[in-house]
Amino acid sequence: GAVVSQHPSWVICKSGTSVKIECRSLDFQATTMFWYRQFPKQSLMLMATSNEGSKATYEQGVEKDKFLINHASLTLSTLTVTSAHPEDSSFYICSATGGPGGSPLHFGNGTRLTVT
Amino acid sequence: AQTVTQSQPEMSVQEAETVTLSCTYDTSESNYYLFWYKQPPSRQMILVIRQEAYKQQNATENRFSVNFQKAAKSFSLKISDSQLGDTAMYFCAYEGYGGSQGNLIFGKGTKLSVKP
Repeated sequence: GAVVSQHPSWVICKSGTSVKIECRSLDFQATTMFWYRQFPKQSLMLMATSNEGSKATYEQGVEKDKFLINHASLTLSTLTVTSAHPEDSSFYICSATGGPGGSPLHFGNGTRLTVT
Repeated sequence: AQTVTQSQPEMSVQEAETVTLSCTYDTSESNYYLFWYKQPPSRQMILVIRQEAYKQQNATENRFSVNFQKAAKSFSLKISDSQLGDTAMYFCAYEGYGGSQGNLIFGKGTKLSVKP
């Protein structure tokens, strides 16, 4: 079945540095990818929708200058957390769809970010 | 705006027994898609079952089935012959028809524990 690879699975960085998270669709072309943030014991919160070849669409309250999204190809989207702070520590998950509306999403394994 | 409500934060069930997880949603649309995803301790999101609103027949996938009541806007998940591996967070999700494909609205989740 369709697989989405997310890398790294966990990362620790110092406050003020930037971290890049990659999301790849391995066996299908994903025109749209989604980035979520999940706090402990909570649901997934959509951060942004990433469209290949165009600017990402950010949800209300998500700082686009802090969470940079690039979707340069049909198989790769990246999320860069710039000037990370401890409050950015969270679990980040990407998903992708390669089919029409109503197609199941394929999720990455997630990235646990810890900012010290 | 559409909303998804899961009123049971936690549930438990004995192995081999049956459990039903509740989900209600609010929408003014007539066509849409509904999903149940599970998130085990590994935190990998896995599709459990999918329902198209214009289909009256309830979806089934092996031990998993739904009770879709469109008029009541209810979409419950029944797990039969519960297994230890069913222990996970279960999220109910809604996707509008014809909108941004893959843009899901998640409920807050139900933590299911299957006890031996």
